[in-house]
Amino acid sequence: DSGVTQTPKHLITATGQRVTLRCSPRSGDLSVYWYQQSLDQGLQFLIQYYNGEERAKGNILERFSAQQFPDLHSELNLSSLELGDSALYFCASSVGANTLYEQYFGPGTRLTVT
Amino acid sequence: AQSVTQLDSQVPVFEEAPVELRCNYSSSVSVYLFWYVQYPNQGLQLLLKYLSGSTLVKGINGFEAEFNKSQTSFHLRKPSVHISDTAEYFCAVTLNTGNQFYFGTGTSLTVIP
Repeated sequence: DSGVTQTPKHLITATGQRVTLRCSPRSGDLSVYWYQQSLDQGLQFLIQYYNGEERAKGNILERFSAQQFPDLHSELNLSSLELGDSALYFCASSVGANTLYEQYFGPGTRLTVT
Repeated sequence: AQSVTQLDSQVPVFEEAPVELRCNYSSSVSVYLFWYVQYPNQGLQLLLKYLSGSTLVKGINGFEAEFNKSQTSFHLRKPSVHISDTAEYFCAVTLNTGNQFYFGTGTSLTVIP
């Protein structure tokens, strides 16, 4: 158990809808990272927050957004969903802002768009 | 641009045999290298990382990797695999600026009894 929790575990929704994925980092960790894992794209970095502020952006679509709250949990919002958004979404946390710190991954949220 | 190439998508190996999972990277700046493992239906877990110092890095579960700057490689090795090593293995690189991770496409290791 990494100490990172993600909810929900599974999510099935229709095209055009909007969903919110939630992540609670390990106690004491200030950074939260979001990743998307799909069969065709592999594991891709989406975005990082550190202590409430956006720190780095990867291949995140404009339809997607994220935020980190004062209690350090984070939410990833996916809107106008398309079939291609079906994937496993991972959250990871680390103690520092820099990616040299070990990242601890949650179990993931499996999103299926029908 | 940075990229990570894992040369083998699937590696079957018999139990107690040695294994090497290959990883090459390309970058115009200094990088730091990592190997992560993903067991079925789980998140990723750090196996080992190279930041500086000795080019031979030892990790958890008996794995080790060697950083070779001239060949831009960071191959993962284990002298004797167990059934429990069956998993997906990801090589990853981050720049010395430390603000983004790039993962390889993964190598699926299957240990055959």
